[in-house]
Amino acid sequence: AQSVTQPDIHITVSEGASLELRCNYSYGATPYLFWYVQSPGQGLQLLLKYFSGDTLVQGIKGFEAEFKRSQSSFNLRKPSVHWSDAAEYFCAVGAEYSTLTFGKGTMLLVSP
Amino acid sequence: GAGVSQSPSNKVTEKGKDVELRCDPISGHTALYWYRQSLGQGLEFLIYFQGNSAPDKSGLPSDRFSAERTGGSVSTLTIQRTQQEDSAVYLCASSLGGGSLDEQFFGPGTRLTVL
Repeated sequence: AQSVTQPDIHITVSEGASLELRCNYSYGATPYLFWYVQSPGQGLQLLLKYFSGDTLVQGIKGFEAEFKRSQSSFNLRKPSVHWSDAAEYFCAVGAEYSTLTFGKGTMLLVSP
Repeated sequence: GAGVSQSPSNKVTEKGKDVELRCDPISGHTALYWYRQSLGQGLEFLIYFQGNSAPDKSGLPSDRFSAERTGGSVSTLTIQRTQQEDSAVYLCASSLGGGSLDEQFFGPGTRLTVL
């Protein structure tokens, strides 16, 4: 069965500092990997996805993520965090004919 | 609007009552998903529809939970004899096709509180 682990429940980052949110997955075949963001009072929005090819993927809002098969990881990064990035971030894993399995989320707090 | 809509946005009910939650997917999307989001638990998959059929209902936590979809569009999630542990935000998502290749678009959710 597929699973996703987001080790950090909460992370606090200063505005302007860099960000890395961790995601580890367990899946038997080549996974499809996703990051979603949920802002307060909003629905989930897709930030980026990886299916195949270049292991560094670019997403919206200046986010990127790198797929590392050897580490079973798909960490989300942003070079400079803005206060509006404060939200909950979810990593998810799936496959072509399967539904998505989500991690428990990481809450990002941005300090001034 | 063109997004996924859900109603009601908030529902407060008493333990033991039945509730119905509604989801209107994006027009033309054949796949529809229900998730439950509890505090600290992330998103828990409940059920997936392709058209009007549900090939994967493995996530429904008990037989008190059921869902249907009619006309390949609107879906209703019904919880019978609600319990306090059913309190959560219920999210609906839709996508063009099934599986993970197509982006899932999420609704704003229904916050259910069982007293």
